[in-house]
Amino acid sequence: GAGVSQTPSNKVTEKGKYVELRCDPISGHTALYWYRQSLGQGPEFLIYFQGTGAADDSGLPNDRFFAVRPEGSVSTLKIQRTERGDSAVYLCASSTSGGPGHTGELFFGEGSRLTVL
Amino acid sequence: DQQVKQNSPSLSVQEGRISILNCDYTNSMFDYFLWYKKYPAEGPTFLISISSIKDKNEDGRFTVFLNKSAKHLSLHIVPSQPGDSAVYFCAARDDYKLSFGAGTTVTVRA
Repeated sequence: GAGVSQTPSNKVTEKGKYVELRCDPISGHTALYWYRQSLGQGPEFLIYFQGTGAADDSGLPNDRFFAVRPEGSVSTLKIQRTERGDSAVYLCASSTSGGPGHTGELFFGEGSRLTVL
Repeated sequence: DQQVKQNSPSLSVQEGRISILNCDYTNSMFDYFLWYKKYPAEGPTFLISISSIKDKNEDGRFTVFLNKSAKHLSLHIVPSQPGDSAVYFCAARDDYKLSFGAGTTVTVRA
């Protein structure tokens, strides 16, 4: 498809389990972002990749969260020892460039809804 | 520390009338401001943006106004249509990162 693809669309897991969420950005987009949206809130920044490297991971809440983008395209967000507070919609977005001169428009996927029981 | 605030969680407007959504921010380093629209079970989609050096940008039924001295922006939708019923997020860019408000749910009544 032409848009940002995220899998799974829904994930239900038990407290303490490990979870992986996948994002396939728009082809050619070098910048990739993960955001988290809790109920009644706006998207909250987690991490930004420019190419293969994580240029800014300051939004990751703690060391249970980790993300990779090994080939500069697909990215995986990994959550260890999940907690009930991790329940949210995890949004992936991509853009052509993240640097100065760019208007800031990000193209979002439909999100992965994570529920931790 | 929420840098972008949308203080109205909801707005109800009659079809054909104007919808006005408001947004306030605190960070003077923001250089672009954007509005996103979100339907249930879908990701946010870009609607309109404005550079910090402009005070108005218009695109069809949508106009965004920026008041830098007040650190305030607004989105006007006129005329409002039933398909405009959605959650609208205000966002602001600092370098590569977007910060979002909590959103305003707009309901357009027939």
